[in-house]
Amino acid sequence: AQKVTQAQTEISVVEKEDVTLDCVYETRDTTYYLFWYKQPPSGELVFLIRRNSFDEQNEISGRYSWNFQKSTSSFNFTITASQVVDSAVYFCALSEALVDSNYQLIWGAGTKLIIKP
Amino acid sequence: NAGVTQTPKFQVLKTGQSMTLQCAQDMNHEYMSWYRQDPGMGLRLIHYSVGAGITDQGEVPNGYNVSRSTTEDFPLRLLSAAPSQTSVYFCASSYSRVRRGYGYTFGSGTRLTVV
Repeated sequence: AQKVTQAQTEISVVEKEDVTLDCVYETRDTTYYLFWYKQPPSGELVFLIRRNSFDEQNEISGRYSWNFQKSTSSFNFTITASQVVDSAVYFCALSEALVDSNYQLIWGAGTKLIIKP
Repeated sequence: NAGVTQTPKFQVLKTGQSMTLQCAQDMNHEYMSWYRQDPGMGLRLIHYSVGAGITDQGEVPNGYNVSRSTTEDFPLRLLSAAPSQTSVYFCASSYSRVRRGYGYTFGSGTRLTVV
């Protein structure tokens, strides 16, 4: 079975601290995609990044960075110099092949990030 | 450019009532899906569609029906509402199958309470 584990249910840090959200996945697919989504208190789901299984380069986008390591089946997300506006629930997701060759996303349970001023 | 539009945003139903959650996208996406979000459980797939006239079940399809008569619309029907269906429902669409790396665009969600 394929699954995604976000072991950190809730993280609370003070503004300007760095914080890393962990994501560990299991899959038998050789080709797959990993995603991160953000859900702010307003409730919408916002796409942050996707990464395919053949690209292990780290990615940086402003204060956000992602560390993909196939050897440990992890796709961790780091926020540098956190801000109150980063407070949200963050979801990690893995593409899974369905029987009919279509794909769906398998979601982690999410990590609630609280940034205190 | 509206993206994915879901209606209504909030709904309260009595047990046994039926209703339809509406979802429409204007991006010509071939893939559409419905998820429910429950506390501590992430998102679970209810039904999905890879094109007009094609639908299939996801992880938790019981109690829900869908149809896809057009590319744009993908309504979710609750046949006889039960308290266990109290949840937040999200509609999502994607240009193509997830394997090609396209992310999902989500609607703003419908908060449903069944009493």
